[in-house]
Amino acid sequence: AQSVTQLGSHVSVSEGALVLLRCNYSSSVPPYLFWYVQYPNQGLQLLLKYTSAATLVKGINGFEAEFKKSETSFHLTKPSAHMSDAAEYFCAVSPPNTGNQFYFGTGTSLTVIP
Amino acid sequence: GAVVSQHPSRVICKSGTSVKIECRSLDFQATTMFWYRQFPKQSLMLMATSNEGSKATYEQGVEKDKFLINHASLTLSTLTVTSAHPEDSSFYICSAPLGREQFFGPGTRLTVL
Repeated sequence: AQSVTQLGSHVSVSEGALVLLRCNYSSSVPPYLFWYVQYPNQGLQLLLKYTSAATLVKGINGFEAEFKKSETSFHLTKPSAHMSDAAEYFCAVSPPNTGNQFYFGTGTSLTVIP
Repeated sequence: GAVVSQHPSRVICKSGTSVKIECRSLDFQATTMFWYRQFPKQSLMLMATSNEGSKATYEQGVEKDKFLINHASLTLSTLTVTSAHPEDSSFYICSAPLGREQFFGPGTRLTVL
């Protein structure tokens, strides 16, 4: 069975500080991995994705994530938080041979303190 | 990138009425679309997979007679909430795959009075 775990349902950082949002997955075969951001009353916007190419993936808005197979992790980072980064972040996995089935983590709410 | 639209963005209805939500892939075709439900401060819960030309596949615990799904064409899927009740109030989101990526609609906020 596939699962995605996001440690920390709420994360608060000061403006300008490092952002680290954690995501671990369980899959017998390395899946495709995604990070999405959701602003209030909006749909999901893709931040970045890992599709078995480079393990360090750079996304939009200065975010990046590193796929670590040994740790089954895909943590999202940003060197310097901006007020506009305050939102809900979801990690998702899409295992191979599942017909584009996505499994979402429970989400992490990021608060940026001025 | 690919665009998925949803209509309406917000709907308020009386208890007992039915509400139809449309999901369209604007610049690509999708034989499969997905419908999710999201409660406040929670993650997306997959409700069903909409299949063009065949019946939708519902997740365990989702009432197929309550949430009618029709995939009328390669660019349109509809979700009808029948005989809506206040507990059906939620944020409904659809997505359509293109390659190995999912493109999400902006969501529909349903409020049942």
